[in-house]
Amino acid sequence: DVKVTQSSRYLVKRTGEKVFLECVQDMDHENMFWYRQDPGLGLRLIYFSYDVKMKEKGDIPEGYSVSREKKERFSLILESASTNQTSMYLCASSLVLNEQFFGPGTRLTVL
Amino acid sequence: AQTVTQSQPEMSVQEAETVTLSCTYDTSESDYYLFWYKQPPSRQMILVIRQEAYKQQNATENRFSVNFQKAAKSFSLKISDSQLGDAAMYFCAYFPYSGGGADGLTFGKGTHLIIQP
Repeated sequence: DVKVTQSSRYLVKRTGEKVFLECVQDMDHENMFWYRQDPGLGLRLIYFSYDVKMKEKGDIPEGYSVSREKKERFSLILESASTNQTSMYLCASSLVLNEQFFGPGTRLTVL
Repeated sequence: AQTVTQSQPEMSVQEAETVTLSCTYDTSESDYYLFWYKQPPSRQMILVIRQEAYKQQNATENRFSVNFQKAAKSFSLKISDSQLGDAAMYFCAYFPYSGGGADGLTFGKGTHLIIQP
């Protein structure tokens, strides 16, 4: 079974802090994704990566950056966290067309 | 840009009955994939069922089946013999075939399904 893990289930940070959310997949998938999930808004794509060191902006990249130094790891970075970035963050990975496998999510609260 | 609309924020069904969740989408593409994902209270998103747009036959996975109407851009999910474990948020999602595997999914806002014992 594909396993996608995220470094934290719950995270509390202060406004202005630099925040790292880590995602690791164990199935040698080329493609990795970061989504943000908010009530009433569904999931929205922040960034994705189709190869090591490659990245593409999704629908809501503002305020975020990403890093993919190794194939199995995809990091989401909040350079200066703000309260409007309080949300659930979901990581996903895929190998073949279309089927994405999701991690358990990180609930981030920015105070 | 593609959009996915789920018009039912919440649905409730008695255990063992059948429920249908609605989803419509908008796209100019002719080849694409449609999905239903389930997110139980534990938060792990799970793929329920997938439909390729070029296939006329509706996908079925055990108690889960879809009614795919390509011309109407409609993609509903039917859950038969509802069970307590079916209680979850259900998301409809779209993926363009032209994405080559490196595009994100476009999700609807979700439907919260409640199963009444």
